Amino acid sequence: AQSVTQPDIHITVSEGASLELRCNYSYGATPYLFWYVQSPGQGLQLLLKYFSGDTLVQGIKGFEAEFKRSQSSFNLRKPSVHWSDAAEYFCAVSLGNNDMRFGAGTRLTVKP
Amino acid sequence: NAGVTQTPKFRILKIGQSMTLQCTQDMNHNYMYWYRQDPGMGLKLIYYSVGAGITDKGEVPNGYNVSRSTTEDFPLRLELAAPSQTSVYFCASSGELAPLHFGNGTRLTVT
Repeated sequence: AQSVTQPDIHITVSEGASLELRCNYSYGATPYLFWYVQSPGQGLQLLLKYFSGDTLVQGIKGFEAEFKRSQSSFNLRKPSVHWSDAAEYFCAVSLGNNDMRFGAGTRLTVKP
Repeated sequence: NAGVTQTPKFRILKIGQSMTLQCTQDMNHNYMYWYRQDPGMGLKLIYYSVGAGITDKGEVPNGYNVSRSTTEDFPLRLELAAPSQTSVYFCASSGELAPLHFGNGTRLTVT
């Protein structure tokens, strides 16, 4: 079955530490890939997207993600986390038919 | 820029009541979507539309109806509210093969 998996429900990191949030997908073809962030009480905001080309993509707020076809993964990274990065992060995939499917989300807590 | 606007922000319904969640966008996007968000479940697609007059079911359409009479508006109708429909509902819109723009959500409680 087609699916998007975010293995980590909750991650806690110290401010200034590096961050990696995992995302794996299970689709027959290479999908379009997205990361969104959701602050409490808000809708989702796009961080970055991958359609084709360079497999390392840069996004807003200092985030980047790397597409690895062999691992069916699209992990999100940030070299140094800020307290304002505390939020919930969602990986999403689309097969180009505008039917976008989301992972269950990873909640990020940032310790001072 | 208003973007995607959802009303109301909060609503409490009794079992069996009906209501319409409103969604409007001012970006002239052809594609519009309704998702529900439940804790630990991410977002599930209820219905989507690829243009005025065209709608299609998503993953979890049962208990809901939609219409798309204009490009701007995509209301979601609950006819007989059930406790299982307690959730946060998000409307979104997008252009062709483009990221989604989300509204701020409607928190619905059915008791």
